[in-house]
Amino acid sequence: DGGITQSPKYLFRKEGQNVTLSCEQNLNHDAMYWYRQDPGQGLRLIYYSQIVNDFQKGDIAEGYSVSREKKESFPLTVTSAQKNPTAFYLCASSMGIFYGYTFGSGTRLTVV
Amino acid sequence: AQKITQTQPGMFVQEKEAVTLDCTYDTSDQSYGLFWYKQPSSGEMIFLIYQGSYDEQNATEGRYSLNFQKARKSANLVISASQLGDSAMYFCAMIGGNNNDMRFGAGTRLTVKP
Repeated sequence: DGGITQSPKYLFRKEGQNVTLSCEQNLNHDAMYWYRQDPGQGLRLIYYSQIVNDFQKGDIAEGYSVSREKKESFPLTVTSAQKNPTAFYLCASSMGIFYGYTFGSGTRLTVV
Repeated sequence: AQKITQTQPGMFVQEKEAVTLDCTYDTSDQSYGLFWYKQPSSGEMIFLIYQGSYDEQNATEGRYSLNFQKARKSANLVISASQLGDSAMYFCAMIGGNNNDMRFGAGTRLTVKP
């Protein structure tokens, strides 16, 4: 079945560490997105990519980095520069503008 | 800049009753798309319904319908015959114009009472 796989489901990070969240899709979608969700709040865009080897910053890109070396994969690295990384992270993909997004099941990141 | 507003942080509805979740949006673009997603406690985002700005008919998907009032810039979600499994967060979202990404409202938490 086609879909988006995010891993791990839960992730714990120590202060000062970089961590990478995985996002893989087999939907043949061109566009991929990373959102952050804080408790009781909506989704805020971190980064998005509309084509391989190209990506753009969203509203809250500081402290995060991404790569898009393959169409299927769009990993997100939470760097030590992100001061408050504890949140729920959602990856999504779409065929393009005006198409709905398909979301992964999310990664819950906690700083310990 | 585009903005989505959901003014109801929480809503309660009796099982089998209908409920309307409010959403207003702000855009100067003529071409845009409006979406509603459901987020259960597990965290996944489930697509419910879509309305294009040029669609003349209100969108419907099973028990979900979208009350689209373009002049008022509102896109309210109507859930008919509520079920206990409808208890979740509901997000209104928009794509269009200069933004190549989907913008979300703050969400409404719906609780269905037995």
